[in-house]
Amino acid sequence: AQSVTQPDIHITVSEGASLELRCNYSYGATPYLFWYVQSPGQGLQLLLKYFSGDTLVQGIKGFEAEFKRSQSSFNLRKPSVHWSDAAEYFCAVGATNNYGQNFVFGPGTRLSVLP
Amino acid sequence: DTAVSQTPKYLVTQMGNDKSIKCEQNLGHDTMYWYKQDSKKFLKIMFSYNNKELIINETVPNRFSPKSPDKAHLNLHINSLELGDSAVYFCASKSRYGYTFGSGTRLTVV
Repeated sequence: AQSVTQPDIHITVSEGASLELRCNYSYGATPYLFWYVQSPGQGLQLLLKYFSGDTLVQGIKGFEAEFKRSQSSFNLRKPSVHWSDAAEYFCAVGATNNYGQNFVFGPGTRLSVLP
Repeated sequence: DTAVSQTPKYLVTQMGNDKSIKCEQNLGHDTMYWYKQDSKKFLKIMFSYNNKELIINETVPNRFSPKSPDKAHLNLHINSLELGDSAVYFCASKSRYGYTFGSGTRLTVV
């Protein structure tokens, strides 16, 4: 069965600092991997996804993530954080069946940004 | 704002009642979904609907039924609610770029 761990429950960074959010997964086959962001009161917005190919994936809002099969990781990075990046971030593994795609979400990492 | 919006965010109801959760997307996506999130944060697909075709996960009880008055809406009706229906339900829509989820509806059956 799929599982996702995000070791950091809450991270605080200063505006302009770099950011890395950790994600580790467990899945028997080649995973579909996603990062979603949820701002307060908002839905889950897709930041980026990895299906195959280049292991460094670029997403929206200046985010990128790197798939490392040997470490079962898909860490999210941003070189310079903006105050508007404060939100909760969810890593997810997807698996497609006959009905569509199921997702396993990690517990989330809450990001706070200091001015 | 462009988004997938669900109402209500919280719903507490008694066993045996019938309830509905509404979902609207203004993203122009063709396909919409309902997911149920279990206690392990697993989002399991319940339905997908693309204005022409409804695909039902056969493990979903027939007390659950999606209703789509138009392309932008996919509401979830639940009849004869049971304690085990308590969960967070997410609506989502899909484009070729991926899924956009609503903020979820926490349903508590007492």
